[in-house]
Amino acid sequence: NAGVTQTPKFQVLKTGQSMTLQCAQDMNHNSMYWYRQDPGMGLRLIYYSASEGTTDKGEVPNGYNVSRLNKREFSLRLESAAPSQTSVYFCASSETGLNSPLHFGNGTRLTVT
Amino acid sequence: QKEVEQNSGPLSVPEGAIASLNCTYSDRGSQSFFWYRQYSGKSPELIMFIYSNGDKEDGRFTAQLNKASQYVSLLIRDSQPSDSATYLCAVNRGSQGNLIFGKGTKLSVKP
Repeated sequence: NAGVTQTPKFQVLKTGQSMTLQCAQDMNHNSMYWYRQDPGMGLRLIYYSASEGTTDKGEVPNGYNVSRLNKREFSLRLESAAPSQTSVYFCASSETGLNSPLHFGNGTRLTVT
Repeated sequence: QKEVEQNSGPLSVPEGAIASLNCTYSDRGSQSFFWYRQYSGKSPELIMFIYSNGDKEDGRFTAQLNKASQYVSLLIRDSQPSDSATYLCAVNRGSQGNLIFGKGTKLSVKP
């Protein structure tokens, strides 16, 4: 049972480069999320998709775009990477509804130099 | 006031003791409360969740919720060195079910 799969696990970018973080879940969940985690800041929501075909901004969306490709896949794109985007990125999924816990992927450690 | 607050720790307890982790939240409309454990370099994993006032027990873990005081806690009985991790409190916000996380409390269980 794979759960939530993120690729890549590690990435180093130069300032201004672009990249896409991939996420796929096999739990038939409706909702998917992208969080970033920084020391001393905790987990912060970047974007989420409540269902296939919809996306919404979270707490820290600037500098990012997302695509809900289908029910399984939710990608996060950095168009022009900045050192401030150095972080660990987590994708998560959940059933719809207030009482549904998040299931996290293993994370992507991104360094922007 | 931050939406979800936790003492960052570290909280150090001896093996076999009870560890008490606390969390306060600001949104009185929050309905669901979650505790996650995160080992260093790993992703958060769900320990348990609670929706109703009172206590909820699952093995060595007990979650306690007091909505009037906007307070949720996690008790870990018979703490083991393997419980050493950062514990994240999360509270739902909005109709979409988005979770807001506290910054976490680092727990260290000493043998």
